[in-house]
Amino acid sequence: GAVVSQHPSWVICKSGTSVKIECRSLDFQATTMFWYRQFPKQSLMLMATSNEGSKATYEQGVEKDKFLINHASLTLSTLTVTSAHPEDSSFYICSATGLAGQLSYEQYFGPGTRLTVT
Amino acid sequence: GDSVTQMEGPVTLSEEAFLTINCTYTATGYPSLFWYVQYPGEGLQLLLKATKADDKGSNKGFEATYRKETTSFHLEKGSVQVSDSAVYFCALRANLRGGADGLTFGKGTHLIIQP
Repeated sequence: GAVVSQHPSWVICKSGTSVKIECRSLDFQATTMFWYRQFPKQSLMLMATSNEGSKATYEQGVEKDKFLINHASLTLSTLTVTSAHPEDSSFYICSATGLAGQLSYEQYFGPGTRLTVT
Repeated sequence: GDSVTQMEGPVTLSEEAFLTINCTYTATGYPSLFWYVQYPGEGLQLLLKATKADDKGSNKGFEATYRKETTSFHLEKGSVQVSDSAVYFCALRANLRGGADGLTFGKGTHLIIQP
């Protein structure tokens, strides 16, 4: 149980375009979802925290107008990279945590999405 | 802010060797500590966790003890196998938002086990 999927797993887009990444909890209700970014041979860096039905909370230094996050339901959160540039190329990973008392706030991670901006 | 420091690899060991991957942290309050493992082509999986000082997390032969006095959470395994080859991440959760906090990760340690 507690499976998180991401789609797509790999995407290439041209500079200036936008790309949307989906994160789904397949077998549990995710009250909170997190988006991380991982550079090659680097740690995962928390970008933002999203709660179902409310605005995402962004970490310091993350542009909220560039990285749009929507958590419209208890099983789906989306990250849209707007007007992408080559420096946005990275590995984006989501995680989800369930209702208190059920999943003990343990985070379950998706497999990640590799974004390449040309 | 919070931070996690772990030894950087790659760490190369022979099968059946003893493994230690060091992890130290800086955090305010009472964080929870985690070790995650990432196998090639897969997402991060929780390996073990500890939620308070002196707790020992264990799973699949791996162990780590939450040491508040040394702010450490070193990962150990007595006899590694080739299948343990992966990237290991130490992480903490600050617990400032009732548990719904994002994680702070170390840079990861690439472990290579040779037969």
